[in-house]
Amino acid sequence: EAGVAQSPRYKIIEKRQSVAFWCNPISGHATLYWYQQILGQGPKLLIQFQNNGVVDDSQLPKDRFSAERLKGVDSTLKIQPAKLEDSAVYLCASSLNWAGELFFGEGSRLTVL
Amino acid sequence: GIQVEQSPPDLILQEGANSTLRCNFSDSVNNLQWFHQNPWGQLINLFYIPSGTKQNGRLSATTVATERYSLLYISSSQTTDSGVYFCAAYSGNTPLVFGKGTRLSVIA
Repeated sequence: EAGVAQSPRYKIIEKRQSVAFWCNPISGHATLYWYQQILGQGPKLLIQFQNNGVVDDSQLPKDRFSAERLKGVDSTLKIQPAKLEDSAVYLCASSLNWAGELFFGEGSRLTVL
Repeated sequence: GIQVEQSPPDLILQEGANSTLRCNFSDSVNNLQWFHQNPWGQLINLFYIPSGTKQNGRLSATTVATERYSLLYISSSQTTDSGVYFCAAYSGNTPLVFGKGTRLSVIA
């Protein structure tokens, strides 16, 4: 069974530029999550989708971050404009249902210069 | 929301030694997971264990939900066990919350 797929693996941009990350969850998983992990810290939830609806986006900086999950399958996380403090690894995870076991992708490492 | 605390924050072991990592949580949980983040940053599932005891090779985990803690045991540690171990928990409607992790270094 294929795992959670993410791309790109690495991205370097200048501050104020934009970037987009893509995630394809495990087939059949209804719940999809985006986490941000800053070096030396634990992952922090940005947004949670149940099918194509948003369940929790309370920690998403909505002035610059946006995410969508069209058709309830793959998802895109966008940052525009990027700030230096957005340098982090962006992790996508999926689970069969809410509170089910989470499986993570390999992450997308963003460096903002 | 739920608070998740892990101890110790850092641990250095000689290869072959055993260790116990602890996770305390502030509320009842629907889900508790242990992950290993390897040096390349990949989060590997170790256990999905909201209660009870599970074993997988040299690793085992126990969650005592009524006392709000979980333990991860690593026996006969190997250098490949190095990395950061995270505990994460769901409670009520709160999405999965991670602790700050235990950084393990196993020395040959």
